[in-house]
Amino acid sequence: GIQVEQSPPDLILQEGANSTLRCNFSDSVNNLQWFHQNPWGQLINLFYIPSGTKQNGRLSATTVATERYSLLYISSSQTTDSGVYFCAPRGGTYKYIFGTGTRLKVLA
Amino acid sequence: EPEVTQTPSHQVTQMGQEVILRCVPISNHLYFYWYRQILGQKVEFLVSFYNNEISEKSEIFDDQFSVERPDGSNFTLKIRSTKLEDSAMYFCASSDHPGDPLHFGNGTRLTVT
Repeated sequence: GIQVEQSPPDLILQEGANSTLRCNFSDSVNNLQWFHQNPWGQLINLFYIPSGTKQNGRLSATTVATERYSLLYISSSQTTDSGVYFCAPRGGTYKYIFGTGTRLKVLA
Repeated sequence: EPEVTQTPSHQVTQMGQEVILRCVPISNHLYFYWYRQILGQKVEFLVSFYNNEISEKSEIFDDQFSVERPDGSNFTLKIRSTKLEDSAMYFCASSDHPGDPLHFGNGTRLTVT
């Protein structure tokens, strides 16, 4: 099955800083989602982005499916951005496979 | 916005007991999923379900696990005889089509003692 690696595994930022999170996957994919897992454990949909670039407020995401990676950009980070960020690509089956996650802590 | 709802939010059970975790997917969705997350680890796929049958399952989903859609709204995960290592957060998800984005519930935290 698809192998999904995310980097960096851990990230600490000062409030207001920008960051880029990376997701590499081992095989071609049909779809990809980015999630934020908040400190209460909830999985929040951020983006559904099989290819191209999307923006939502301070967040944007780019997927280059032909090169097997996706990027999540966080600008002007806030303490509420803290949590774990997961990418989850989907290959030729029904399931989305979650990556290893990036644990983000934003300091006030 | 429609939501996936899961009950209970937290369940504590003794080793060897049966548990049933319940989910109400979004009403017009046709594809249903269970995932689990052991504390501090990544989210792992367990099973997908469509048209009243399992469409795919992982190696984790052994004979101790079963899923059912007992009526038009509920989707359940049963663990027949719980083990300590079944302690995890269990997430239910649904989608309209297999290629569509997954919508997750808030999870059930299962603690096996």
